[in-house]
Amino acid sequence: TQLLEQSPQFLSIQEGENLTVYCNSSSVFSSLQWYRQEPGEGPVLLVTVVTGGEVKKLKRLTFQFGDARKDSSLHITAAQPGDTGLYLCAGATEYGNKLVFGAGTILRVKS
Amino acid sequence: DTAVSQTPKYLVTQMGNDKSIKCEQNLGHDTMYWYKQDSKKFLKIMFSYNNKELIINETVPNRFSPKSPDKAHLNLHINSLELGDSAVYFCASSPSGGALSADTQYFGPGTRLTVL
Repeated sequence: TQLLEQSPQFLSIQEGENLTVYCNSSSVFSSLQWYRQEPGEGPVLLVTVVTGGEVKKLKRLTFQFGDARKDSSLHITAAQPGDTGLYLCAGATEYGNKLVFGAGTILRVKS
Repeated sequence: DTAVSQTPKYLVTQMGNDKSIKCEQNLGHDTMYWYKQDSKKFLKIMFSYNNKELIINETVPNRFSPKSPDKAHLNLHINSLELGDSAVYFCASSPSGGALSADTQYFGPGTRLTVL
């Protein structure tokens, strides 16, 4: 069974601070996705990383896929209250669209 | 227009009852999914259909039965509801199935099921 360990589970920071969320596994994934979920809504895709070592930037968010395609990180620079939400990493298995999700990181950014 | 819609949004019912959740997508996608999100926010896939054909069937009690009348609809019927079935159930869709690299999955707003 492929598992994704996500850390930290909770993060409460002040506006303007930087943070990093980690997603680790002993398994190799064909690709890895990051989703953001707000209360009462479904997850929304932020990014998909496919190549080992790949780095993608989305405004203040930087996503990295590990060289061995077993881990990933999400770094947010100068966090804002609007970044508050549940962040989920998800690895694609041998069936490309069967996603294995991490347990999620609840981020709260205080103004 | 809502891309992936689910009904109902909230469902409160007694143990032992049978209930259904409906899902529709207007994106023209080939693949649809059901996920269960527990109280700790852990999201786990239950089923996936590609063009009305079941392609992913995780270890789910057989009290759960998905039905896909056409590729735009995927319903979930649950028999003999138990307390542990309380969760938020998400429907999702993606353009294709079985690709090596994951498609974007578009999630519905969720159905919060509470079993008393």
